[in-house]
Amino acid sequence: DAGVIQSPRHEVTEMGQEVTLRCKPISGHDYLFWYRQTMMRGLELLIYFNNNVPIDDSGMPEDRFSAKMPNASFSTLKIQPSEPRDSAVYFCASSLRQGGTSMKFFGPGTRLTVL
Amino acid sequence: DQQVKQNSPSLSVQEGRISILNCDYTNSMFDYFLWYKKYPAEGPTFLISISSIKDKNEDGRFTVFLNKSAKHLSLHIVPSQPGDSAVYFCAASESNAGGTSYGKLTFGQGTILTVHP
Repeated sequence: DAGVIQSPRHEVTEMGQEVTLRCKPISGHDYLFWYRQTMMRGLELLIYFNNNVPIDDSGMPEDRFSAKMPNASFSTLKIQPSEPRDSAVYFCASSLRQGGTSMKFFGPGTRLTVL
Repeated sequence: DQQVKQNSPSLSVQEGRISILNCDYTNSMFDYFLWYKKYPAEGPTFLISISSIKDKNEDGRFTVFLNKSAKHLSLHIVPSQPGDSAVYFCAASESNAGGTSYGKLTFGQGTILTVHP
């Protein structure tokens, strides 16, 4: 299995532009998570889906952020309009409901820079 | 409000010695804890976990200790190797009513471990 795939790996954009980050979870996994990593706050959960349905979006910073999961193999995180403070590494992770574990498999991340 | 805290941003250790990474949490509902390791330009990878019904879990060179009364856990790496140099994240979750905890994880800020040859 190729693991969790994220694209692009790097994104540089100007303030005010729309940014779309993409994620393909591991096949068969029924949970998908979007995290953001910053120096100050570490890894923060933004939103997660179960069977393509958003379960908890309380970590989404504000209305400029939106996430979708149109099918089991694809999810997007969109920022519109982007701001310099959105600069961070965004990780997508997926997991399979099994036993009592929360082990998640993370993608390599998208490093976003908003100028 | 940081519910999971790793108060040491960095740790430097000599090869062959023990590395001890610490983590504190405030939410008494957390009952499952994990450690992830992250190399530069890669996503975090699962390392070891522990349920609140245990106070120790060991996997090779890695041991996690849980002190529920102090709301503290630690990761011990013995012996430390240069390849262990990475960022280590502590994470915690709550079980749902069914006793499984496959949902939301709360992470700490991470500790950069450097193991010198």
